Amino acid sequence: DAGVTQSPTHLIKTRGQQVTLRCSPKSGHDTVSWYQQALGQGPQFIFQYYEEEERQRGNFPDRFSGHQFPNYSSELNVNALLLGDSALYLCASSLLAGVGYNEQFFGPGTRLTVL
Amino acid sequence: DAKTTQPPSMDCAEGRAANLPCNHSTISGNEYVYWYRQIHSQGPQYIIHGLKNNETNEMASLIITEDRKSSTLILPHATLRDTAVYYCIVGSSSGYALNFGKGTSLLVTP
Repeated sequence: DAGVTQSPTHLIKTRGQQVTLRCSPKSGHDTVSWYQQALGQGPQFIFQYYEEEERQRGNFPDRFSGHQFPNYSSELNVNALLLGDSALYLCASSLLAGVGYNEQFFGPGTRLTVL
Repeated sequence: DAKTTQPPSMDCAEGRAANLPCNHSTISGNEYVYWYRQIHSQGPQYIIHGLKNNETNEMASLIITEDRKSSTLILPHATLRDTAVYYCIVGSSSGYALNFGKGTSLLVTP
């Protein structure tokens, strides 16, 4: 059983460009969350998707947007990239009506570098 | 969600128990204590969670004080592969965001 997969693994962009990151959840999971992890910091919640709708959003600007597809996979889009957007972007999946506690399974992340 | 306080770093000798403390004095009655860890260059991994009672699984034990204002994660026989950043998180069971802090960087030494 494949776990959470993310693509690409690494990405280099320049300021002002746009980027799309992709995530496939663990088999059987219906909820996808995205986190941003700057160097030396803990992951920061961006947003969560369930049934193709944004269910919760963290304190991130509108430049960050997402989408969930009918097969539960998800994309994170970031427009007008800033140097400060350089980070590891983590995708986590879970089963909303699952085990009764908040166990999220994380992918390996996409390392985004903005020059 | 309540905030947590953890020491920034700890050391432990291989084979010994690693005891990682966490303070969460503002925890509310329906909030769980979760522990995740992140090995270098990997995504975080769920370890254990608890509400009121002490919990044990194949990875670790979780001891929660009676007033629930603090907890301790215990790795009974630490190995080099347990070197990681350990995050204590307080939150609901609702499946919403996990609010990570900076965690404790545990170094297990030979």
